[in-house]
Amino acid sequence: GNSVTQMEGPVTLSEEAFLTINCTYTATGYPSLFWYVQYPGEGLQLLLKATKADDKGSNKGFEATYRKETTSFHLEKGSVQVSDSAVYFCALSDGYGGATNKLIFGTGTLLAVQP
Amino acid sequence: NAGVTQTPKFQVLKTGQSMTLQCAQDMNHEYMSWYRQDPGMGLRLIHYSVGAGITDQGEVPNGYNVSRSTTEDFPLRLLSAAPSQTSVYFCASSPGAYSNQPQHFGDGTRLSIL
Repeated sequence: GNSVTQMEGPVTLSEEAFLTINCTYTATGYPSLFWYVQYPGEGLQLLLKATKADDKGSNKGFEATYRKETTSFHLEKGSVQVSDSAVYFCALSDGYGGATNKLIFGTGTLLAVQP
Repeated sequence: NAGVTQTPKFQVLKTGQSMTLQCAQDMNHEYMSWYRQDPGMGLRLIHYSVGAGITDQGEVPNGYNVSRSTTEDFPLRLLSAAPSQTSVYFCASSPGAYSNQPQHFGDGTRLSIL
């Protein structure tokens, strides 16, 4: 079945450091890929998405490219800030036939940015 | 602009009790779903609905019931609470059921079963 694997945390970085959070997936069909972010005590918010191979999603300085050949969707940011401290979830939406929006999540990666 | 509203935010139950977690959205979204979040496991889909009157099971449906009588509301019922149902529950919605549409999440209900 479909699945998502992302790197375990916590990831601890200093402010202005480069961030990479790895995400790989297994899926049949043509899934859409998402990164969601969860700040303490809150629900999940969409950070970025990509709906087909070679698409690049970007938002708030974060980027991720849908790589079908390596089944990956790694999250990157060039310079992190303390305010980026949160849990990041990689997810895929079952894309078989297009008409389904069931999300499959990775286990989440806690990012802690120190000043 | 409320988005997805979940109530209550916190609840403690005793084993065997029943309760309903409420979820309402004001965006006229057709698709709604319930997830549970457990440490080290990410979020897992419990039930979902593609429109009023239509519901279906997700990955972990046992012990939960849902109904969708209106577009706005999608309550989750625990029939007889068990300690294994201690979790954080999230409701989500999206305009439709297609896979390229991101979902909007509520702030969650933290449920403890003693």
